[in-house]
Amino acid sequence: AQSVTQLGSHVSVSEGALVLLRCNYSSSVPPYLFWYVQYPNQGLQLLLKYTSAATLVKGINGFEAEFKKSETSFHLTKPSAHMSDAAEYFCAVSDRAGGTSYGKLTFGQGTILTVHP
Amino acid sequence: EAGVAQSPRYKIIEKRQSVAFWCNPISGHATLYWYQQILGQGPKLLIQFQNNGVVDDSQLPKDRFSAERLKGVDSTLKIQPAKLEDSAVYLCASSLNFQVPGELFFGEGSRLTVL
Repeated sequence: AQSVTQLGSHVSVSEGALVLLRCNYSSSVPPYLFWYVQYPNQGLQLLLKYTSAATLVKGINGFEAEFKKSETSFHLTKPSAHMSDAAEYFCAVSDRAGGTSYGKLTFGQGTILTVHP
Repeated sequence: EAGVAQSPRYKIIEKRQSVAFWCNPISGHATLYWYQQILGQGPKLLIQFQNNGVVDDSQLPKDRFSAERLKGVDSTLKIQPAKLEDSAVYLCASSLNFQVPGELFFGEGSRLTVL
């Protein structure tokens, strides 16, 4: 079964600093990969997704992620953190067509991002 | 465009009681999902519908959980009888079609506390 591991349940950065949230997946075949954000008492919102050959994916709010097959990673970055980025971030994975989990998302445990003034 | 609507937002019950959650997806979305999110964990898929048919309910505890989407639009998730470990946020999500990998749109969730 597909799975993702998010390293670090809590990440704290200063406003203006680099944000790096780590995600590794387990699959012999490159899957589809997603990052979602959840603000307090709200549902999840898609930040970005990897579903094609372009390994560097840009998303909303200045976030981007790079798919690295050799490292089975899909880390999320943002060059300069803003106070409004404080939220919980989830990495998720889905099989490509033909896989048993095609069309379904499996989520990681989540990483809470805190941004200090 | 209206988002995914869920109700109630909050529910407190005692163990062995029953509870039902309602979800109305985005208009035209064929696929509807129910996820369970326990505090400190990522969402876990309970059941997936395509129109009014079940695509996957392998992780649904069928001895106490049931879900339906009779007319292929809104859906109800029921728990009977509830256990303490069912305390969680129940998230409903919808997408245009699960066969096209794309964005899931989530509702704000229904938070269940079982005492």
